[in-house]
Amino acid sequence: EAGVAQSPRYKIIEKRQSVAFWCNPISGHATLYWYQQILGQGPKLLIQFQNNGVVDDSQLPKDRFSAERLKGVDSTLKIQPAKLEDSAVYLCASSFGVRPNQPQHFGDGTRLSIL
Amino acid sequence: AQTVTQSQPEMSVQEAETVTLSCTYDTSESDYYLFWYKQPPSRQMILVIRQEAYKQQNATENRFSVNFQKAAKSFSLKISDSQLGDAAMYFCAYKKDGSARQLTFGSGTQLTVLP
Repeated sequence: EAGVAQSPRYKIIEKRQSVAFWCNPISGHATLYWYQQILGQGPKLLIQFQNNGVVDDSQLPKDRFSAERLKGVDSTLKIQPAKLEDSAVYLCASSFGVRPNQPQHFGDGTRLSIL
Repeated sequence: AQTVTQSQPEMSVQEAETVTLSCTYDTSESDYYLFWYKQPPSRQMILVIRQEAYKQQNATENRFSVNFQKAAKSFSLKISDSQLGDAAMYFCAYKKDGSARQLTFGSGTQLTVLP
């Protein structure tokens, strides 16, 4: 089966600019996650979707970050305006469901550098 | 809130030898799941092994096994017959049973395998 697809793989922008990331989950996976992974740290969840509804966005900086999941399939994560501390790898993951025996499958991530 | 601690930022092992990575966690729940994920330089997170807290038997997957000590809230990963391909960042993660919420990750341990 095809894995979780993310694009772009790398992005470099200046602070205060805008950026968007795209994720295509594994076909049939209802749950989609966006994580932020700062260098030297473990991934931190930004937002979790169940189909096209938000389950958890408690750690999403809503003043600058937004995310949507169109028709319960693809998802985009946007940062506007970007700050230096947003430099990180942004990982997308999907799972069939939320049970622990339904593991999350991760994409290769997008490495964002803010100048 | 649950926390996951990995106290070893870096570890190294000689090829074909055995290495143990440590993880401790803090939770007031009795039903939960613990995971070890591997993240190679490609950045894709790969599930290595999963342990259900209600099971006393330690999980094993080929050369990977865990030592789960529920009372001590300890969950270590043992890699036997280490191979060069095992070199990666390893993350310990926690998930509450019955919760739709996502994983809580530790800060990771960078494993180097020496030829």
